[in-house]
Amino acid sequence: QITLKESGPTLVKPTQTLTLTCTFSGFSLTTRGVGVGWIRQPPGKALECLALVYWDDDKHFSPSLKNRLTITKDTSKNQVVLTMTNMDPVDTATYSCAHILYHGRNPRGFDYWGQGTLVTVSS
Amino acid sequence: DIQLTQSPSFLSAFVGDRVTITCRASQGISSSLAWYQQKPGKAPKLLIYAASTLQSGVPSRFSGSGSGTEFTLTISSLQPEDFATYYCQQLNSSPPYTFGQGTKLEIK
Repeated sequence: QITLKESGPTLVKPTQTLTLTCTFSGFSLTTRGVGVGWIRQPPGKALECLALVYWDDDKHFSPSLKNRLTITKDTSKNQVVLTMTNMDPVDTATYSCAHILYHGRNPRGFDYWGQGTLVTVSS
Repeated sequence: DIQLTQSPSFLSAFVGDRVTITCRASQGISSSLAWYQQKPGKAPKLLIYAASTLQSGVPSRFSGSGSGTEFTLTISSLQPEDFATYYCQQLNSSPPYTFGQGTKLEIK
């Protein structure tokens, strides 16, 4: 059974760096075709894919946020860590991590999700 | 970047109705499209991938079609539990993979 869970601060101040950890079970990030992504959703708004890391350590970032994002994986701990620098109130959102798996030449989509964690940016 | 535009943004329907949601891509993405259902306060649920393949456990009243730039999600007979927000996502171009803006399906 695949599960993912996000952890990290619920409140950060403007200009601070946000660090979120996704701890997962039921799969390995060393298995070919597997990836973990981070997605956020501001209250009442649409989903936005922020970053992904694949089994081969291939990493991808949202073009509009790439200068602020870092994603790393720790396969021994079954964790993926996202950091976002220079936080702003507009970054207030629910941040979720999710499992993704290749299907042929392209991924299927995010088939397992964590519950998400609401991060508020405020002084 | 590939942009996805969903229509309509809001949809009101009766239980038992057949509804269709459209997702248009700003450039061709072959069949690399997924559909999700999201209920308030919950994580999105993957319904369909590769444009038309039903994810395991998803009821057969859901179906997807399309390729290239135009895609549709159809619910053949709406059930009370289907009232939610639906998102499309393209998985063709270099990730991260963009989502549409969402379609909120409400009960009439």
